[in-house]
Amino acid sequence: NAGVTQTPKFRVLKTGQSMTLLCAQDMNHEYMYWYRQDPGMGLRLIHYSVGEGTTAKGEVPDGYNVSRLKKQNFLLGLESAAPSQTSVYFCASSYSDRARTDTQYFGPGTRLTVL
Amino acid sequence: AQSVTQPDIHITVSEGASLELRCNYSYGATPYLFWYVQSPGQGLQLLLKYFSGDTLVQGIKGFEAEFKRSQSSFNLRKPSVHWSDAAEYFCAVGWPTSGTYKYIFGTGTRLKVLA
Repeated sequence: NAGVTQTPKFRVLKTGQSMTLLCAQDMNHEYMYWYRQDPGMGLRLIHYSVGEGTTAKGEVPDGYNVSRLKKQNFLLGLESAAPSQTSVYFCASSYSDRARTDTQYFGPGTRLTVL
Repeated sequence: AQSVTQPDIHITVSEGASLELRCNYSYGATPYLFWYVQSPGQGLQLLLKYFSGDTLVQGIKGFEAEFKRSQSSFNLRKPSVHWSDAAEYFCAVGWPTSGTYKYIFGTGTRLKVLA
């Protein structure tokens, strides 16, 4: 049971390049989330998904797209990377039943630098 | 609007000393309250959470937190700190919305432990 995994761990992009971050969970969780973490700002929600085939915008969705084609995977895409997207990205997942949706399980993070 | 404040950016304590990390929130009702810990290079791990009931909550790794409604606070405590507790600690407020939970994270408190 690996929990939540993220690929890649590190990446350097040039402005305008595109890339996809992959999040995978093996806990059969319905809900999945993408956050970014910036110094002095805590974690901010980018997008989230409440089930396979569904996505919704979070607090800072601009410049990102997501897809949830399979229940276990949640992809975060940057179509045209900008230096402002330099950050550490965390994926999280949680159960869907009301008693357990509160606890989110986090992946180890992806450190992205955009030059 | 909801908000979470962690007034201490850095805290340094000696090993064996007691610890208190402060967290204040702004929310119209009693929120769901969480403390997470993030070790260097790792994702966030849930230490404890408060939904209702007993205002003193016990968590993992010997941590506890007390919810004080009158002060809108949820401070994290540990009676005797270990060197392995050096990490960054995040307080979070959560509330149910649109079938899932929304979180706001504080900006974090980085704990340094002196031998």
